[in-house]
Amino acid sequence: AQKITQTQPGMFVQEKEAVTLDCTYDTSDPSYGLFWYKQPSSGEMIFLIYQGSYDQQNATEGRYSLNFQKARKSANLVISASQLGDSAMYFCAMREGLTGGFKTIFGAGTRLFVKA
Amino acid sequence: DAEITQSPRHKITETGRQVTLACHQTWNHNNMFWYRQDLGHGLRLIHYSYGVQDTNKGEVSDGYSVSRSNTEDLPLTLESAASSQTSVYFCASSKAAGPNSPLHFGNGTRLTVT
Repeated sequence: AQKITQTQPGMFVQEKEAVTLDCTYDTSDPSYGLFWYKQPSSGEMIFLIYQGSYDQQNATEGRYSLNFQKARKSANLVISASQLGDSAMYFCAMREGLTGGFKTIFGAGTRLFVKA
Repeated sequence: DAEITQSPRHKITETGRQVTLACHQTWNHNNMFWYRQDLGHGLRLIHYSYGVQDTNKGEVSDGYSVSRSNTEDLPLTLESAASSQTSVYFCASSKAAGPNSPLHFGNGTRLTVT
């Protein structure tokens, strides 16, 4: 069963505007981590941001923030002030604790296009 | 700087041949993973290892094997390559096994099976 769902195959955003990429997850493990990775057209995978299941505050890293709603099991990525270089594929991922064998599973990804 | 190196970057092979993809990391991480990336599926876990002599099957392990004889290397072997194994393969490592530890990725190997 798929445990990470990214419902937006593609998204467009105007340069300098904010954009939200959706991610929902499913787990019965009380301890887990949520991650976002960026994959530019060059192909490498870049870690962006992390949110722990016990964290009370939403994670932020520069222009990236993670909107964590535990009860809804959602972990949306917000990119503020979009730049042309933000055009890429974005993957939501979850790393479960002991119950899940500490494996990291990924969603299908959202391709973001930033328009000038 | 520490890194993960995958080789080759590109490989074309024929159906039925055995193929080995190399992964070498200098992070000194105990935890290493192999994923394949296919359009519409994101990254799917093939095999993983939490230390020397430890290997585990992921969700798409059929037709693949790994061995871990040292900390730095986790080679992925396709026993008898099939066209369905045409994909981009990523090796990754993490500092810790816990749920708060992000993955560090290699640059990927693009494998084509003809």
